[in-house]
This record gives sequence, C-alpha cells and structure tokens, in this order.
Amino acid sequence: AQSVTQPDIHITVSEGASLELRCNYSYGATPYLFWYVQSPGQGLQLLLKYFSGDTLVQGIKGFEAEFKRSQSSFNLRKPSVHWSDAAEYFCAVGSLDSNYQLIWGAGTKLIIKP
Amino acid sequence: DVKVTQSSRYLVKRTGEKVFLECVQDMDHENMFWYRQDPGLGLRLIYFSYDVKMKEKGDIPEGYSVSREKKERFSLILESASTNQTSMYLCASSLSTNGGYTFGSGTRLTVV
Repeated sequence: AQSVTQPDIHITVSEGASLELRCNYSYGATPYLFWYVQSPGQGLQLLLKYFSGDTLVQGIKGFEAEFKRSQSSFNLRKPSVHWSDAAEYFCAVGSLDSNYQLIWGAGTKLIIKP
Repeated sequence: DVKVTQSSRYLVKRTGEKVFLECVQDMDHENMFWYRQDPGLGLRLIYFSYDVKMKEKGDIPEGYSVSREKKERFSLILESASTNQTSMYLCASSLSTNGGYTFGSGTRLTVV
C-alpha cells in the first residue's frame, strides 16, 4: 500500500540548533516528494519539492531535503532553526501517474526552545 | 504567485443547516482539492476535481458534495451539517504538470 510515514509526532529543538525531520515513503511509481509547513491556524505552504535530478534540493526559509531512493526517505534539514520555524511540517508523495494526487504524512510538530 | 482564497476564515453553523464553503484560485490551475484536517488524523481528502464540472470522491466524501461550474471556483457543500463535521477545511489547487499544491488559509467550521 502507498503510504508516507513521519515517525516523529513532536520534535523539540533549541533555537540555533540543527534540525532533521524524517519522512519515509512506500510508493509503487516513481515518486515526486514534497515538504510543506503549516503555521498555527494557517494553510500549508510548499517548502520544497523533488521531481528528478540532484537528490539534494533547496527550499525556502533555509530548508533543504535529501532524497535517498535506497532508504525510501526524504528527510528535511535546516542547519540552524529560528523561533519562527515553530510549526507543523508535512511530507507528501505523488506521481505523474496519479495526476499528482498526494499522499500525506501525519505531520511533525516542531517546538523551539529559547 | 498563485493565490487560493477561501471565503471565510471562521464559520459557526447550526446542526442541519446547509453549508457552502467557497474556494477560488486565480492562476488557471486544472486541479482543485478539498481536505479536512483534524488533530491526530492529519489531512483527509474529501473531494477533488481535475476539470470543470468534473468531480471525484476522495477518502471521506460522506456528508459532502462539491460543485465546479467554473475552472477557478470549487465549492464544498455540507448538505446537512452535523457536529462531527466541525473541523478545519483546506482548499488547494495545482497544475497537472507541476504537482505542487497551493493551499488557501483554511476555514475553521464549528457546527453547534
């Protein structure tokens, strides 16, 4: 079955520390992968996406993610988090075959310690 | 930038009322989606549409219907609102050649 797993429901990180949010997927077709961020009470904003090519992709707000096909993973990273990064982060997978109908992870809530 | 506009940020409706949630996008996207988001349940797809007058059921269509009479507008209809439809409703749109969704700001619906 197609699925996306974000194993961490909550992550707490000190301001200025590095961050890695995990995403694993199970998908039959060639996957296209996305990370979105949702601030409280808001809609979701696209952070970055991977379609093909370089497996390390850069996004907005200083985020990057690395596609590792052998591990079926697409982890999100940031070298130094800011208090404004506190939000919920969603990983999603889709494909051209599915007309880009996305399958979503359950989300990881990021808490920033001052 | 593509903008997806949901007509209301907050709504309070009574049980049994017919409720319309409106969503408009301004960038000629073919695809439009309605999700509901509940704590601990993530994003669940209600309905989606790939073209005008076309609709497809998502994972949880019961109690909902949709309308897409124009390309830019996708309406979600709660035929007879119930308290278990209290939720955050998110509309999104996308291009078939691009895949990334653009979301509206959401409508938080409370049914009392």
